Amino acid sequence: DQQVKQNSPSLSVQEGRISILNCDYTNSMFDYFLWYKKYPAEGPTFLISISSIKDKNEDGRFTVFLNKSAKHLSLHIVPSQPGDSAVYFCAASLDSNYQLIWGAGTKLIIKP
Amino acid sequence: GAGVSQSPSNKVTEKGKDVELRCDPISGHTALYWYRQSLGQGLEFLIYFQGNSAPDKSGLPSDRFSAERTGGSVSTLTIQRTQQEDSAVYLCASSLEVWETQYFGPGTRLLVL
Repeated sequence: DQQVKQNSPSLSVQEGRISILNCDYTNSMFDYFLWYKKYPAEGPTFLISISSIKDKNEDGRFTVFLNKSAKHLSLHIVPSQPGDSAVYFCAASLDSNYQLIWGAGTKLIIKP
Repeated sequence: GAGVSQSPSNKVTEKGKDVELRCDPISGHTALYWYRQSLGQGLEFLIYFQGNSAPDKSGLPSDRFSAERTGGSVSTLTIQRTQQEDSAVYLCASSLEVWETQYFGPGTRLLVL
């Protein structure tokens, strides 16, 4: 039973445009959400996070939106750059527990 | 400073053999985590160490899996009597304290034939 789902295995976006990566979750008790980015042959690196008390968090070109009623999380990258090509994972935690529940990832390809 | 390192980067073994995977966390990080990523899946939590506290082993999939952390630093994940379904990338992460950002190593890709 996947509690965190990333339904798009891959996404292709033109350089300079907006990339929108989506994540759905089933457990309304999740209270903290994170996005990680992973390049081939490297471990995931932390990108941005959001607490369930917020609905938006912004860091430079990256913005995460949280819609609690829809149990939906999205990551917006504007403008998209070639270096953004990577696999993006969303993760969630329950009751501020350190155990993260991870989605399967979305491979983002930025086309020149 | 140096990041999290893992060795070996790749391991091919025969079914039934034991394997040991090593993780060197970032110096000074008190928390250490092991995850497993099977093909097409998200990361799966395996075990967590925090300082001198008893580890949280709740994610270990079977008693063939064990891990230790010596001296609060280096950690070894051991898989006994490996099975083909153990084939995955095993990732280690460390954080300064629990709930701080987790920094990941590059992983060990394990293939059990």
